[in-house]
Amino acid sequence: QSALTQPASVSGSPGQSIAISCTETSSDVGGYNYVSWYQQHPGKVPKLMLYEVNNRPSGVSNRFSGSKSGNTASLTISGLQAEDEANYYCSSSTSGSTLVFGGGTKLTVL
Amino acid sequence: QVQLVESGGGVVQPGRSLRLSCAASGFTFSSYGLHWVRQAPGKGLEWVAVIWYDGSKKYYADSLKGRFTISRDDSKNTLFLEMNSLRTEDTAVYYCARDSGTKSYILDLWGQGTLVTVSS
Repeated sequence: QSALTQPASVSGSPGQSIAISCTETSSDVGGYNYVSWYQQHPGKVPKLMLYEVNNRPSGVSNRFSGSKSGNTASLTISGLQAEDEANYYCSSSTSGSTLVFGGGTKLTVL
Repeated sequence: QVQLVESGGGVVQPGRSLRLSCAASGFTFSSYGLHWVRQAPGKGLEWVAVIWYDGSKKYYADSLKGRFTISRDDSKNTLFLEMNSLRTEDTAVYYCARDSGTKSYILDLWGQGTLVTVSS
């Protein structure tokens, strides 16, 4: 059972903004300031989109942003585009030096 | 070209063993921690194991219960995953991934994956 809980699905129309939540459900998740987000299109390799809550790797659109409040981190995508339709996973390191992923959220662009 | 290329997947019977390899190129292999992550068909990502940049520490998912062993050969720029006592539930695409630092647990580079099918 994942220590990070995500909604199974979210949807939005092109141009809109959506947010995907990632809630820590275990005290083993260390610090929770080390949340990362990955995008995975069907049949493709996961891609790092955000790290340490709200940092973007080089090349990732600034339409992707992150935040954290209490035990819930969020990925926000603004100006939704068809190419954003994918599965999104949050992750965090744990106090036991392991890594845990959320269950994943399927984003549908209507 | 900065890349990771996995190999060694295939069909294996339950109870048997298999060793996966991940060949790295385009970066200083010995400076990075490395992870294995798997994904069962139609399911989400599941972290498997990590080895720190210097090989001094190795950590595993609790669910593996000592069946898997991660190792690295810096002279060959290669990461390995030895999988023993394989079960049908180990069927998945196995990805190797680079840690963005020595042990940051941020996975900034992924291989294309290798499929392991455990079936009789």
